[in-house]
Amino acid sequence: SQQGEEDPQALSIQEGENATMNCSYKTSINNLQWYRQNSGRGLVHLILIRSNEREKHSGRLRVTLDTSKKSSSLLITASRAADTASYFCATPGGGKLIFGQGTELSVKP
Amino acid sequence: DAGVIQSPRHEVTEMGQEVTLRCKPISGHDYLFWYRQTMMRGLELLIYFNNNVPIDDSGMPEDRFSAKMPNASFSTLKIQPSEPRDSAVYFCASTKGAPGEQYFGPGTRLTVT
Repeated sequence: SQQGEEDPQALSIQEGENATMNCSYKTSINNLQWYRQNSGRGLVHLILIRSNEREKHSGRLRVTLDTSKKSSSLLITASRAADTASYFCATPGGGKLIFGQGTELSVKP
Repeated sequence: DAGVIQSPRHEVTEMGQEVTLRCKPISGHDYLFWYRQTMMRGLELLIYFNNNVPIDDSGMPEDRFSAKMPNASFSTLKIQPSEPRDSAVYFCASTKGAPGEQYFGPGTRLTVT
C-alpha cells in the first residue's frame, strides 16, 4: 500500500528559482526521509527528519514536517540544472521504507 | 567504502532464460533490500533480509522469483524462467539498522526479449 505520495508529479522551473515538493502519508511515523534519483542511477539519501522535528536544513535543502497534517515538504532554493532529478519521500513501515511515486523536477538553464 | 555493488549493470536475455542478479552490500550493514523500478509501477520492494534472513518477501511477484543471502556480503535475485514483463531496473540497497538511511546500488537494467 502506498504510504507517501508526492505532489506535484512533475515540476519544471528555471535555474535560480525555488522548487517545492510535497509529500503526504497515512499512518503515524517516527521519521520521514527524502531521496533523489538522477536519471539512470540509484536513489541517494538527502535528509531525514524525525517526528519531533518541524524543520531541518541541509545546504540548499529545507524540509518541513507537519505530523498533524501527515505531510512534509522539500524546498530546494536557488535551483541549478544539476538538481534535475526525481525526488522521493519515504516513510518507515516495519523494517522497511515505503517510497512514494516521486516528483520529477526539471530545472532549465 | 565502495558502496553497494551490483552486477551485471545491464542484462539482455531471451524469454525463458534464467537470470541471476548479484549484490554486495556495504560492509557492516545488516539489512539488504531488493527493489524493482518501472515507469508503470514505480519503485517496488521485492524482498528484504535482516542478518541474512529473509524477513518480508510479500513483494516477490511470483514463484519465478527467488532471492538468497548466503552470507553478509552477498545476495542474489534469480528469475526463472524470465518473461518480457520482468524488464525493469533492479536495485539493491543496504542499511545499518532499520528503518535508517538506505544506500542504493547503481542498479541492473534487465531487458527480456
